[in-house]
Amino acid sequence: KAGVTQTPRYLIKTRGQQVTLSCSPISGHRSVSWYQQTPGQGLQFLFEYFSETQRNKGNFPGRFSGRQFSNSRSEMNVSTLELGDSALYLCASSASTTNEKLFFGSGTQLSVL
Amino acid sequence: DQQVKQNSPSLSVQEGRISILNCDYTNSMFDYFLWYKKYPAEGPTFLISISSIKDKNEDGRFTVFLNKSAKHLSLHIVPSQPGDSAVYFCAANGNNAGNMLTFGGGTRLMVKP
Repeated sequence: KAGVTQTPRYLIKTRGQQVTLSCSPISGHRSVSWYQQTPGQGLQFLFEYFSETQRNKGNFPGRFSGRQFSNSRSEMNVSTLELGDSALYLCASSASTTNEKLFFGSGTQLSVL
Repeated sequence: DQQVKQNSPSLSVQEGRISILNCDYTNSMFDYFLWYKKYPAEGPTFLISISSIKDKNEDGRFTVFLNKSAKHLSLHIVPSQPGDSAVYFCAANGNNAGNMLTFGGGTRLMVKP
């Protein structure tokens, strides 16, 4: 069974641009969550989608958004990039939405210059 | 306000000995706890979890202990192996929080041959 796939692996953008990151969950998993990892703030929850609906949202500005498609694939978008958005963005999938272990992808390393 | 804390940023252990990683939490609504291991440039990998109705869970060399009154959990690895060298994160989930995990800052474990 293929794991969680995130593309692209690395991304370099400049301030003010926008970026879209993609995540394909494990086959059969309907819940997709996104996390941001930075050296200063650690791993922080961004949002969770289940059956195309956002179920939970973390404490991030509205520049961070996401969506989930009918095949459970998910995208997250960051508009008007700031230097502080440089981070490893991790996607995780699980079979359900309650007390399930999350399977993480390898992440997208975003650098904002 | 850090709701999940791992106070030891690093831990060094000799191969074959026990590794004990600690984690404290403040939110009494957390009822499910997980440990993840992370290698550089990879996503976190699930290790073991424990529900708040239990005080111990074992899986091979890994045992997690939960002390609800102290809001403390620990991960024991016996015996430690060089391949266990990684960053370990504890994470907590609350009732009705879906897959919104709150992570600690991580502990870097180094197992010396």
